[in-house]
Amino acid sequence: QVQLVESGGGVVQPGRSLRLSCAASGFTFSSYAMHWVRQAPGKGLEWVAVISYDERDKFYADSVKGRFTISRDNSKNTLYLQMNSLTTEDTAVYYCAKVRLVGATYYFDYWGQGTLVTVSS
Amino acid sequence: EIVMTQSPATLSVSPGERATLSCRASQSVSSNLAWYQQKPGQAPRLLIYAASTRATGIPARFSGSGSGTEFTLTISSLQSEDFAVYYCQHYNNWRPFFGQGTKLEI
Repeated sequence: QVQLVESGGGVVQPGRSLRLSCAASGFTFSSYAMHWVRQAPGKGLEWVAVISYDERDKFYADSVKGRFTISRDNSKNTLYLQMNSLTTEDTAVYYCAKVRLVGATYYFDYWGQGTLVTVSS
Repeated sequence: EIVMTQSPATLSVSPGERATLSCRASQSVSSNLAWYQQKPGQAPRLLIYAASTRATGIPARFSGSGSGTEFTLTISSLQSEDFAVYYCQHYNNWRPFFGQGTKLEI
């Protein structure tokens, strides 16, 4: 069965960095684009970044552009999110999510359990 | 940029009753719309995709309808496990656009 397991969250001071990982199993990881989606406490879902299956294409939300970097290692079936210059606004649960192509569009068919990032002094 | 607007923000319904949740897109998204359910402390779960197709394992009491800019998620007879937050979502040019969510409460 498909599993996505995030790790790397924790408490970090403003201005510092953190790297999240998402270990994938149960599907051909190298064939799918992958996303990071976050959710601040008590708030809705906010898309963060996407990476194509072959790492050629990467896109970011304006709120993280220039500070966050998405990457993947298909040999390790792992997705990453390098987060630099963190602010309190980045405090959230971070989910990795797999998309499924249906017709001409995509849907999130599997999500990880999330990892909590708390930015606080 | 496409904006997805859900209404109401909170819906109070009794178990066994019918719940109707709405989602409006700022421009036509054809039938490219999904609904997700999220319970406290859990990740979102795909319920409906392509506006009206139930995802694997989703009970028949969940149904989706609509196209263009107006969409509806209907839960025909609410069970206790259905009380959660529901999000609609459209996907375009590599990125998803989520609604702000509707909290379905008892």
